[in-house]
Amino acid sequence: DTAVSQTPKYLVTQMGNDKSIKCEQNLGHDTMYWYKQDSKKFLKIMFSYNNKELIINETVPNRFSPKSPDKAHLNLHINSLELGDSAVYFCASSQVGGYETQYFGPGTRLLVL
Amino acid sequence: AQSVTQLDSQVPVFEEAPVELRCNYSSSVSVYLFWYVQYPNQGLQLLLKYLSGSTLVKGINGFEAEFNKSQTSFHLRKPSVHISDTAEYFCAVSDRLTGGGNKLTFGTGTQLKVEL
Repeated sequence: DTAVSQTPKYLVTQMGNDKSIKCEQNLGHDTMYWYKQDSKKFLKIMFSYNNKELIINETVPNRFSPKSPDKAHLNLHINSLELGDSAVYFCASSQVGGYETQYFGPGTRLLVL
Repeated sequence: AQSVTQLDSQVPVFEEAPVELRCNYSSSVSVYLFWYVQYPNQGLQLLLKYLSGSTLVKGINGFEAEFNKSQTSFHLRKPSVHISDTAEYFCAVSDRLTGGGNKLTFGTGTQLKVEL
């Protein structure tokens, strides 16, 4: 059973388009995250949601809008895609407690042309 | 803000040789440290973490790390590597979030390449 899953795995699109990435976890966790990994493999947190509520937004452009329909899902919608949005986007989840392990999805590789 | 520095971007090593991947942290308060591994085209997987207690932490796949407060380091070691250990390794520091969960701040990663 996949703990944290993401769809799609690959996403190739044109500049200016709008796209969504979906994330689901079946671990019963309350907290979910989105990370961005750039071409140099640097990882940076974008958002954190706890029980469907936004906890942190790390100075991400307004074009990025996370949505959490329920505790098990955290989707990422990106408007007006730009070349610089090309990256690998990882979803993760953890228990709500202190320094719990985060479990990562397999990533969505986004290429904006 | 807390941060971690991974001093080596690439570490080549022969199979069955020992390896050490270096990580130094910067924090003025209690620090909680993690090592994650990323195999090619996959997500990140936890190797081990230090929260408190014994400074020698054992993780999966034969890896261990030692928390050294005086040297502000959390180096990852394995006494004998296997070709399957070839991957990117990330050190991270955790901040608890008000409202739940924790925020991981990652180092720039170390590419471990195991050769025959």
